[in-house]
Amino acid sequence: EVQLVQSGAEVKKPGESLKISCKGSGYTFADYWIGWVRQMPGKGLEWMGIIYPGDSDTRYSPSFQGQVTISADKYTMSANLQWSSLRASDSGMYYCARVLGGNQIDFWGQGTLVTVSS
Amino acid sequence: QTVVTQEPSLTVSPGETVTLTCGFSPGAVTSGYYPHWLQQKAGQAPRALIYSTIARHSWTPARFSGSLLGGKAALTLSGVQPEDEGDYYCLLKFGSGWAFGTGTKLTVL
Repeated sequence: EVQLVQSGAEVKKPGESLKISCKGSGYTFADYWIGWVRQMPGKGLEWMGIIYPGDSDTRYSPSFQGQVTISADKYTMSANLQWSSLRASDSGMYYCARVLGGNQIDFWGQGTLVTVSS
Repeated sequence: QTVVTQEPSLTVSPGETVTLTCGFSPGAVTSGYYPHWLQQKAGQAPRALIYSTIARHSWTPARFSGSLLGGKAALTLSGVQPEDEGDYYCLLKFGSGWAFGTGTKLTVL
């Protein structure tokens, strides 16, 4: 059974760093792209970027380029999303999703809630 | 950045048929944009329904169908059920990136 299990909710202060994760199981993790999606409270979905764990090829949406770092480790079967200095505006729910061949999105993680508040 | 637009909200009665659309301006949606449709119920993660314009996932009920209609991607629900209430998002591929639509809130009354 394919599963993407994300790390738990985080509460951070502005300026702090954070890394959240998405662990895949039930398939060959290195062979599928992983995408990251943001959903701010009460708002729609936003595409952040995508990574291919097989070779760490990464593509960022222009809105998120330079704001976050996407990484992956094919040996631990995890993809990560990290911030070096959080802002209150980074608060939201973050989802990972599996992408087959770069064109077909199927399975989603359960989401990680990030709250940034002083 | 391209804005992908959807109807903000639609209200239907159980058993009716409803069509949601997804487009961008200027331009027409084609199969080359690999249109996807996702459903998100309150408090839940999104769930993929349709990919590559018309293809259903194994878990997608047959009453959901995808198509291209007048230069837009379309999602048709034939015989709407109360459990279909929720937010629906389209997703289009632009080059090596993706963009979500603005979302449609579907209410089943």
